[in-house]
Amino acid sequence: AQKVTQAQTEISVVEKEDVTLDCVYETRDTTYYLFWYKQPPSGELVFLIRRNSFDEQNEISGRYSWNFQKSTSSFNFTITASQVVDSAVYFCALSEAYSGTYKYIFGTGTRLKVLA
Amino acid sequence: DVKVTQSSRYLVKRTGEKVFLECVQDMDHENMFWYRQDPGLGLRLIYFSYDVKMKEKGDIPEGYSVSREKKERFSLILESASTNQTSMYLCASSLGGRTLEAFFGQGTRLTVV
Repeated sequence: AQKVTQAQTEISVVEKEDVTLDCVYETRDTTYYLFWYKQPPSGELVFLIRRNSFDEQNEISGRYSWNFQKSTSSFNFTITASQVVDSAVYFCALSEAYSGTYKYIFGTGTRLKVLA
Repeated sequence: DVKVTQSSRYLVKRTGEKVFLECVQDMDHENMFWYRQDPGLGLRLIYFSYDVKMKEKGDIPEGYSVSREKKERFSLILESASTNQTSMYLCASSLGGRTLEAFFGQGTRLTVV
């Protein structure tokens, strides 16, 4: 069965600290896609990144970086030098290429609070 | 930019009322979704549609129905609202296939009293 686990319910850090948000997934498909979304207080989920199962290269975008490890079924997200504007709920999601449905499976989210 | 617009940010309805939540996207996306977001439960799929007049049940369809008469519009209907349907409702759309990211609306916070 497909499942996404975000074990960290809430994390608080002080500004400029680095923080890593964990995401562990379960799937039987060999081809799948992983996503991270940010939900700021305004409510709209904002797409951050997509990764397919054949590309295990780490990705860096400014202060954001993602570590995809198939061996541990993890897709972790690190914010370097966190800022108050990073405060949000972050969701990890999975989509399978060959399952019978079109749905995205979301984790329960991690609330990040960055304190000034 | 992809725009997904939900008709209301906040709604308050009475138990037993019929409630319509409307969602419009402007990027000609084939797929549209309705999710419900509750604390500690993340996003749960209610219904999705992969084409006009086509729909499939998600994980929690009970008490809900949907309508997609036009490609750009996807409506969620609560036939007889109940207090346990008080929640944040999120609409999303994506291009054909499930490999591309979904784009979300701003959400509708529904309170049923």
